[in-house]
Amino acid sequence: EAAVTQSPRNKVAVTGGKVTLSCNQTNNHNNMYWYRQDTGHGLRLIHYSYGAGSTEKGDIPDGYKASRPSQENFSLILELATPSQTSVYFCASGEGNYAEQFFGPGTRLTVL
Amino acid sequence: GDSVIQMQGQVTLSENDFLFINCTYSTTGYPTLFWYVQYSGEGPQLLLQVTTANNKGSSRGFEATYDKGTTSFHLQKTSVQEIDSAVYYCAMSLTGNTRKLIFGLGTTLQVQP
Repeated sequence: EAAVTQSPRNKVAVTGGKVTLSCNQTNNHNNMYWYRQDTGHGLRLIHYSYGAGSTEKGDIPDGYKASRPSQENFSLILELATPSQTSVYFCASGEGNYAEQFFGPGTRLTVL
Repeated sequence: GDSVIQMQGQVTLSENDFLFINCTYSTTGYPTLFWYVQYSGEGPQLLLQVTTANNKGSSRGFEATYDKGTTSFHLQKTSVQEIDSAVYYCAMSLTGNTRKLIFGLGTTLQVQP
């Protein structure tokens, strides 16, 4: 029933490895977002998308890529993971300007 | 640039105490302001939305008020309960077509029974 789901929920990766975080939404929203959450920094926007095929850089895009192959799916890709990317990652969907964003449950990523 | 400042990192209260969390914002546009709540192990969820047109919003016993003169907006609740323990984020949506939210750093509320 959950409208925004993320997988995996927990991930341990090695430095230099490739990591893909997946997000699926059943809200039929055009907009999707990837954030990371860190103590002392709150929620920071990494990438976002206005619809299938589009990706835009957020406030902290370095070291991350995004892919939006369909309305429902939005992936975050770490080509060469580093320990500084250890964090909790949240995906969200929303519609239109000023509208509520609906968040997934988060993925805890640890890069060793 | 556009920013949201949330100074209170941690607030500890007892049940039935009064809660007040303040945020200030900076933008050249006309923002829509939000309060999100994040319970342990979950993603953030919308608690309240305040537009610059109506100045106030309320939900689940919480009330948010916006003051254009001081570019601040605050969240308050008259009597908190232990179930209100969570992280509260203020956020701002900018005018234009960016559809982005700028979040404050969050306030961790712990309510002791």
